[in-house]
Amino acid sequence: ETGVTQSPTHLIKTRGQQVTLRCSSQSGHNTVSWYQQALGQGPQFIFQYYREEENGRGNFPPRFSGLQFPNYSSELNVNALELDDSALYLCASRLLGQPKGYTFGSGTRLTVV
Amino acid sequence: AQKVTQAQTEISVVEKEDVTLDCVYETRDTTYYLFWYKQPPSGELVFLIRRNSFDEQNEISGRYSWNFQKSTSSFNFTITASQVVDSAVYFCALSERGNNNDMRFGAGTRLTVKP
Repeated sequence: ETGVTQSPTHLIKTRGQQVTLRCSSQSGHNTVSWYQQALGQGPQFIFQYYREEENGRGNFPPRFSGLQFPNYSSELNVNALELDDSALYLCASRLLGQPKGYTFGSGTRLTVV
Repeated sequence: AQKVTQAQTEISVVEKEDVTLDCVYETRDTTYYLFWYKQPPSGELVFLIRRNSFDEQNEISGRYSWNFQKSTSSFNFTITASQVVDSAVYFCALSERGNNNDMRFGAGTRLTVKP
């Protein structure tokens, strides 16, 4: 089975800019979640999409937004970047009811300077 | 609110020692799932186990075993005869059916196994 692929692997942006991170989920996975993992911390839930609609959100401001597409790909967009947005961003996908739960990608390391 | 606590920030053992990683959780939901993930330096989270709230049987998979106790809200993970390749950060996570099953992670335990 194909895994979850994220691009790019590393990215450097300037404070105030906008960024789009991409994720290609496993075929058939109708649910995707995005997580932010700051250095030395556990992943923090940003939001979840099911069949192209957001159906859950963590404690993140509206400048964090997302999209899910019919071809099992998704995007995380962050506007007005702040220094604290520097983190590893993980995408995870699953098929509802799958016993293993989510399959995670290797993440995108975002550095905001 | 759901919450996961991993009190051990870092653990260091010598190869072949047994080690237990602790996980305590809080939830108001009666239907929930508990997970353990391994995160090697590459960054990808590797699934180890999922346990639902109605199944308190302990599980063993090779050198790995898990002890789920609802009475103490704990889901501990033991590695028997640890190996250097077990060195990683381990995360415990909780998902509630009432929250669309999104996962909330603990802060993680960094395990270092020395040769």
